[in-house]
Amino acid sequence: DIQMTQSPSSLSASVGDRVTITCRASQSISTYLNWYQQQPGKAPKLLIYTASSLQSGVPSRFSGSGSGTDFFLTISSLQPEDFATYYCQRSHSKYTFGQGTKLEIK
Amino acid sequence: EVQLVESGGGLVQPGGSLRLSCGASGFTFSSHWMSWVRQAPGKGLEWVANIKEDGSETYYVDSVEGRFTISRDNPKNSLYLQMNSLRVEDTALYYCARDHPVATAGHDCWGQGTLVTVSS
Repeated sequence: DIQMTQSPSSLSASVGDRVTITCRASQSISTYLNWYQQQPGKAPKLLIYTASSLQSGVPSRFSGSGSGTDFFLTISSLQPEDFATYYCQRSHSKYTFGQGTKLEIK
Repeated sequence: EVQLVESGGGLVQPGGSLRLSCGASGFTFSSHWMSWVRQAPGKGLEWVANIKEDGSETYYVDSVEGRFTISRDNPKNSLYLQMNSLRVEDTALYYCARDHPVATAGHDCWGQGTLVTVSS
């Protein structure tokens, strides 16, 4: 089975910071990689699909990159509403989520 | 407005059964793959199963294969998850999710979830 590992598991940052979250697959998954944001007590929200495509309605400060085994979610300038937990998900054959990265206010 | 509303969760003993339902509105249900995703209390997300538009293909995470069955009723705009031989580790909030129209692009709409608790 393909494993998805996110780093870091938690991250403290300030409003206006640029942050990058990494997701690594245990074997190549091409660009079959999606990113989600989950606010406490809410359902997840799709941010990025197929590694770098911005989901409709998602602010352009969110971007995704990578292919093969290494993927990155970047938030260019953190806003107060961006403090949440982020998950990557591989989507080739079956779906597998990473363990999540909790982004907290410094 | 796209809406997914789950129901059917509750408390069940280990070894018991439960059937979850998800009602869909605001989009052409029969044109989308659909999934169930769960989240144990305080834990991360786990994809459980999905089903093709016409119900002809289904896929499951290994841990529920043979115990859970995903199905759909397109005329009723409804998705189901029949859960048998439930285990304590199946305790979770179960989300119904619409698969993105772009293949392998994840899940673009989610319900608010229904809680399943497996305990004696």
